[in-house]
Amino acid sequence: EAGVTQSPTHLIKTRGQQATLRCSPISGHTSVYWYQQALGLGLQFLLWYDEGEERNRGNFPPRFSGRQFPNYSSELNVNALELEDSALYLCASTQGGVPVNTEAFFGQGTRLTVV
Amino acid sequence: LAKTTQPISMDSYEGQEVNITCSHNNIATNDYITWYQQFPSQGPRFIIQGYKTKVTNEVASLFIPADRKSSTLSLPRVSLSDTAVYYCLVGYNTDKLIFGTGTRLQVFP
Repeated sequence: EAGVTQSPTHLIKTRGQQATLRCSPISGHTSVYWYQQALGLGLQFLLWYDEGEERNRGNFPPRFSGRQFPNYSSELNVNALELEDSALYLCASTQGGVPVNTEAFFGQGTRLTVV
Repeated sequence: LAKTTQPISMDSYEGQEVNITCSHNNIATNDYITWYQQFPSQGPRFIIQGYKTKVTNEVASLFIPADRKSSTLSLPRVSLSDTAVYYCLVGYNTDKLIFGTGTRLQVFP
């Protein structure tokens, strides 16, 4: 069974540009979570999508946005990139329902570098 | 989501048993306790989940006292490859999957 896949693995962008990160959940999973992890720091919750809708978002500015497609894959878009956006972006999927009670499966992440 | 408190870091040697305790004083009746492991530059990996008493799998054991205000993740005979950050999550009906700062475990030869 394929795990959660994220693309690209690495992404280098210039300040002010836009970045698009993609996530494919495990087959059968309907919920997708996005996290930002700056080097050496903890995971910061970004967004939660379930059944195509945004269910909740963390304390991030509106330039962080995303969507979930009918096949449950998801995109994270970061507009007007700033140097501080450089981080590992992780995607996780669950079968839906109550997120803390179900096992979350994480992808390997996208390393975004803003120069 | 119940607030959790874990030690920031722990050191151990290969072959020893490591116990990481998580405090969650305001745990609710329906809350589950879940532990994840994260290696550098990788996504966290589910280790174990429990509600009360003791849960054991091939990787670890989770001890939960009767009052459920704390829990202890036990890793038997750790190896160098167990060096990682361990996160404790507590909750039930929550709309976020929030990770705390975790415990950084360093295993020495």
